[in-house]
Amino acid sequence: TQLLEQSPQFLSIQEGENLTVYCNSSSVFSSLQWYRQEPGEGPVLLVTVVTGGEVKKLKRLTFQFGDARKDSSLHITAAQPGDTGLYLCAGAFWNNNAGNMLTFGGGTRLMVKP
Amino acid sequence: DAGITQSPRHKVTETGTPVTLRCHQTENHRYMYWYRQDPGHGLRLIHYSYGVKDTDKGEVSDGYSVSRSKTEDFLLTLESATSSQTSVYFCAISVVPPSETYEQYFGPGTRLTVT
Repeated sequence: TQLLEQSPQFLSIQEGENLTVYCNSSSVFSSLQWYRQEPGEGPVLLVTVVTGGEVKKLKRLTFQFGDARKDSSLHITAAQPGDTGLYLCAGAFWNNNAGNMLTFGGGTRLMVKP
Repeated sequence: DAGITQSPRHKVTETGTPVTLRCHQTENHRYMYWYRQDPGHGLRLIHYSYGVKDTDKGEVSDGYSVSRSKTEDFLLTLESATSSQTSVYFCAISVVPPSETYEQYFGPGTRLTVT
């Protein structure tokens, strides 16, 4: 079983602050995906990073894939209440039968207070 | 939106009863997955399917079975529900965008409570 450790588990910050969420593993993944989930809904894909060292930006969100493709980080600049939610990282590897297999981290529950 | 629906959205059932959850997709995707989500565990794979009548076990398959008789439907059955199966269940499909990066898209979930 490939494990992904996500930290922190909970984060409560004020609007305007910056934050970083970490996703670490001893396993190498073919890609790493970040999802955001709101209460009562399924996870929604934010980004996929594929290449070691890759950095992707989505407005105020910056995603980085580690050089060795074992870890990733999500940085949010000037957080807003609309960023509140559960953030999940998922390491991907290809299986000939299953297709894209995902191993999920435990999630980071973010609350941004106005 | 990958056209995934799940039914029912909420269910309360008693210990020992069988329960079937349905996942329906409208876009003929080959790969389908069932996950359960529990606090602190992220999502864990129960079973997956790679085609009609082609299924296999995931990480937490004990107590669950699946069937896929049509491309569009993937059914998850709890043969005899237990309180430890109280959870939120998500169905997902894999798509291949032009970049060849396989990505999964999730349904809205079914909240199951076993009393």
